Amino acid sequence: GAVVSQHPSRVICKSGTSVKIECRSLDFQATTMFWYRQFPKQSLMLMATSNEGSKATYEQGVEKDKFLINHASLTLSTLTVTSAHPEDSSFYICSARDLTGWSYNEQFFGPGTRLTVL
Amino acid sequence: AQTVTQSQPEMSVQEAETVTLSCTYDTSESDYYLFWYKQPPSRQMILVIRQEAYKQQNATENRFSVNFQKAAKSFSLKISDSQLGDAAMYFCAYRSEQERDDKIIFGKGTRLHILP
Repeated sequence: GAVVSQHPSRVICKSGTSVKIECRSLDFQATTMFWYRQFPKQSLMLMATSNEGSKATYEQGVEKDKFLINHASLTLSTLTVTSAHPEDSSFYICSARDLTGWSYNEQFFGPGTRLTVL
Repeated sequence: AQTVTQSQPEMSVQEAETVTLSCTYDTSESDYYLFWYKQPPSRQMILVIRQEAYKQQNATENRFSVNFQKAAKSFSLKISDSQLGDAAMYFCAYRSEQERDDKIIFGKGTRLHILP
């Protein structure tokens, strides 16, 4: 089946630093990837839709200058949390849409990245 | 805008028994997908079952089945012969069939406890 990986799985950083999270589709090409944020005991909240070769589409209320998204290839999207603060601490999950093969138009989720900002 | 509502924050069921998780949604579209996702303590999202709105037949996957009532906009999940490994957070989700609007909208989730 289609596999999506995220790196790192956990990251701890100091307030004011920037953190980059990678999302990779390992065995399929993903023209579209999605970034979610999940607070403890809450649901997934879509932050942005990342399209290969073009600018990301951000959901209302999400600061695009704070959460930089780059989708430079068909297998890689990155989320950079700039000047991170403790309130950015959360669980970040990506998903990738497979437009080919047996799982046409299906979305597959990465294992998530836990960000802790001290 | 589409919304997904799960009115049961937590549920418990005895091992080997059957449990039903409720979900309602709101949309003005006629073509869409509905999903149930499981999120165990590892927090990896796992697709449990999927239903295309144009299909009248309820989807089933082994011990998991849905009761899809399109007119009532209801999409419940039935888990038969509950097992300890079924303990997790379950999210009901909606996705438009439109490729240009294929973001997934999640409900708030139901935490399922399995009692041994």
